[in-house]
Amino acid sequence: AQSVAQPEDQVNVAEGNPLTVKCTYSVSGNPYLFWYVQYPNRGLQFLLKYITGDNLVKGSYGFEAEFNKSQTSFHLKKPSALVSDSALYFCAVRDITGFQKLVFGTGTRLLVSP
Amino acid sequence: DGGITQSPKYLFRKEGQNVTLSCEQNLNHDAMYWYRQDPGQGLRLIYYSQIVNDFQKGDIAEGYSVSREKKESFPLTVTSAQKNPTAFYLCASSIDLLNSYEQYFGPGTRLTVT
Repeated sequence: AQSVAQPEDQVNVAEGNPLTVKCTYSVSGNPYLFWYVQYPNRGLQFLLKYITGDNLVKGSYGFEAEFNKSQTSFHLKKPSALVSDSALYFCAVRDITGFQKLVFGTGTRLLVSP
Repeated sequence: DGGITQSPKYLFRKEGQNVTLSCEQNLNHDAMYWYRQDPGQGLRLIYYSQIVNDFQKGDIAEGYSVSREKKESFPLTVTSAQKNPTAFYLCASSIDLLNSYEQYFGPGTRLTVT
C-alpha cells in the first residue's frame, strides 16, 4: 500500500531561518506527492505537488519541495521562515488502488518563533 | 477555503443522538469526500461520492452515513453507532474521481459529543 511518513511531530525554527519539514514515501510505481497546510481550526490548503519533471517543485507562499527518488523523500522547504508559517503540514501520496485517493501522513506542526 | 462551506463550525451533542454535518460546494465538482481528523492520526477517509446518488465507503465508514441528492451537497450523519464521534470533520471536493488527488477542503466542523 502507498504510504507517507512524517518523522517529526513538531519542528521549531526561528523567523528568518530556513525550514525543512520531512516526508518519506513508500509507493509502487511512480509517486504523485503533495503537501498541504492547515491553519488552526481551518481546512487544508494545497501547497504544491510533484507528479513528474523537475525534482524541485515550487509552490504557494514561497514553499518548495525536493523530490529525491533514491532516498524516497519529499521534504518541504522554505529559505526564510515567517511567524505566519506556523501551522500543521501534511504530506500526502496518491494511492494507486481503487480510485486513487489521497493517503495522508500524520502531520508535522511547524512553530516559527519571532 | 475554495468554495466549500461547512456548517456549523462547532457542534455539541449528547451521546446517543444522531447529528448531521453540512457540506456545500459551488465549484461544480463531481466528487466529494468526508474525512475525520484526530490528533496525531492525520486524515482518514469516511465516505466519498463521485456523482449524484452514488457514494462509497472509505476506510472508517462504520457509524456514519451520507447522502448525495444534489451535486452541490454531501451531508454526513454521525450516528449513535459511532463509538468515538468527537473529532474534527473535513469535507473536500475534486473535479472528478480521476483527479481525486487534487482536493479542495472546507473549513471543517468540530464535533464534541458528551
